[in-house]
Amino acid sequence: GENVEQHPSTLSVQEGDSAVIKCTYSDSASNYFPWYKQELGKRPQLIIDIRSNVGEKKDQRIAVTLNKTAKHFSLHITETQPEDSAVYFCAAGRQAGTALIFGKGTTLSVSS
Amino acid sequence: DAGITQSPRHKVTETGTPVTLRCHQTENHRYMYWYRQDPGHGLRLIHYSYGVKDTDKGEVSDGYSVSRSKTEDFLLTLESATSSQTSVYFCAISAGGTGETQYFGPGTRLLVL
Repeated sequence: GENVEQHPSTLSVQEGDSAVIKCTYSDSASNYFPWYKQELGKRPQLIIDIRSNVGEKKDQRIAVTLNKTAKHFSLHITETQPEDSAVYFCAAGRQAGTALIFGKGTTLSVSS
Repeated sequence: DAGITQSPRHKVTETGTPVTLRCHQTENHRYMYWYRQDPGHGLRLIHYSYGVKDTDKGEVSDGYSVSRSKTEDFLLTLESATSSQTSVYFCAISAGGTGETQYFGPGTRLLVL
């Protein structure tokens, strides 16, 4: 079945450094790729998403890149801050009303 | 928060008992989903609904049933709870311009003893 692989599973950086999380997906029909941030005990919150007709999208310190040929996409966080510490999930999906397939998550720790 | 609430927020039950979790949304979204979240597994889809009385199975549907008799309510039932169903359950809805974006409810933490 469809699968999304996410790496690394844990990532520790110093405040101000950049963090990169990478995902690969198996379903070539996937055309929607969201990223969620989940703080301890809270719900996953959408932070950025990208569709297959776009190669890169940026929102302040967060950017996502997509390579459809290689079937991988990445989350880039620049100038990390302690409040960026959380678990980040990538996902892949198709049209509305279909399941999102999630990666297993990356625990990001930003130390000051 | 996309107007999603879940009840109960926490529940402790015993093996073999039936359990129903409720997801309620106030914004008339067509698509609703139930996921479970377990350490090391991320979020996995249990069932989803694409309208009143229209539901379908997800990746981990065994042991679960759902019902949607009104647009605003999506119920998840564990007919006979087992310890392997101890998990955090999230409801989600699809929204946004093209409808793929999913927003999550606050979650229900279920412990089956």
